[in-house]
Formats: sequence, C-alpha cells, structure tokens
Amino acid sequence: ELKVEQNPLFLSMQEGKNYTIYCNYSTTSDRLYWYRQDPGKSLESLFVLLSNGAVKQEGRLMASLDTKARLSTLHITAAVHDLSATYFCAVKTMDSNYQLIWGAGTKLIIKP
Amino acid sequence: ETGVTQTPRHLVMGMTNKKSLKCEQHLGHNAMYWYKQSAKKPLELMFVYSLEERVENNSVPSRFSPECPNSSHLFLHLHTLQPEDSALYLCASSEETSIYNEQFFGPGTRLTVL
Repeated sequence: ELKVEQNPLFLSMQEGKNYTIYCNYSTTSDRLYWYRQDPGKSLESLFVLLSNGAVKQEGRLMASLDTKARLSTLHITAAVHDLSATYFCAVKTMDSNYQLIWGAGTKLIIKP
Repeated sequence: ETGVTQTPRHLVMGMTNKKSLKCEQHLGHNAMYWYKQSAKKPLELMFVYSLEERVENNSVPSRFSPECPNSSHLFLHLHTLQPEDSALYLCASSEETSIYNEQFFGPGTRLTVL
C-alpha cells in the first residue's frame, strides 16, 4: 500500500529565509505532484515530476525528485509573505492512472 | 467561465434532505474527479469518471451518488447524509492523454450537515 509522508506539517519562518519541505513515499511511483492551497481556496498545481533527478523551478520554489530514495523536496528560496499557504505532495499509484495518494500537507506561515 | 467551476460554493443541509453538487470543466479534459477534504485528513478520492464512465469508486457510502452526463459536467447527488460528511468537496478534471495527467481543481463546495 502506497503511503505518503510530508514533513514538517507546520512551518513558521521569517521572510528572506530558505527552507525545504520533504515528501517521502513508500512504494514505486512514476509521477509526483506538488500543489498549493490558500485558506478557504482550492488546490493549485505547482509542479509535476516524472523521472529520477527531475528538477523544476518557478520563481522562489524549486521541486526535485529522487525516485531511488522515494523522496521529493520543495525548496523555498528567500521566502516572501505571499508564499504562505498549505503545500501538498501527491503520488500516483502504479495500478491506476487516476489514483493519487496525498500527503497530509505542510502549513507554511511566512512572517514579514 | 474558465477552468473548473463548482456550485454551490456553500451548502447547509439536514440529514433528511436531498441535494446535488454540480461541477463543470471548461478545459476540454476527458476525466473528472470528486474528492472529499476533511480537516486533519489527507485528501480522499471518491469517484473518477473517464469519458463519462465511472472508473474508480473508492468504497464511498451509497448516500453519495455521482453522475456524469457528458465529459464537461459532473454531479454528486447527496441524500440522508450524516454530520461526519461535513467537509469541502472538490471537483477536478484532467487530460488522460497528457503525460502529466495533471488534475485541475475547482473552488470546492463547503458542505455542512446538521
């Protein structure tokens, strides 16, 4: 059974600092997603990672995937208040083209 | 309208009521999803429709009944719900032929069952 663990679950940081959110998963997968959710809002897709060593960057966010370690990271560089949100990783199961197993989410608060 | 829309955005219902949630996607996708998001729980996939056929049904109680009349519309019919069904219900769509099969979400319906 595929399990997805995110850590930390809560992170409070100052603007301008760097930090990393980790997403570990328990069995083989060929697709990993990162989403962002603002309070009371829907989920916004950030990155889709397909292959080992994949790295994608958008602004101050960078996501990477290590399929051998079954680990993805979401790195935040020089955080700004607007990045405050809850970040989810989701991993596709191998036996379904649709089923994603979701992490519990990391609530990120960035203080001015 | 663009993206994925959902109506209503908020719904309060009693346990004996019958109501329906509506989702419409304007992205030309061929798969649609219902998810339940409860506080302090991971997102739960409820149903998936691909080309208007149900392809996933994750042990959801029969008081939730999905309907997909065409590839752009998805409904979730609700009847005799329980208070523990109170949650945010999210609809999503994706294009299966895309290598990413990325799911795009609607704004959700916040459901409260009294």
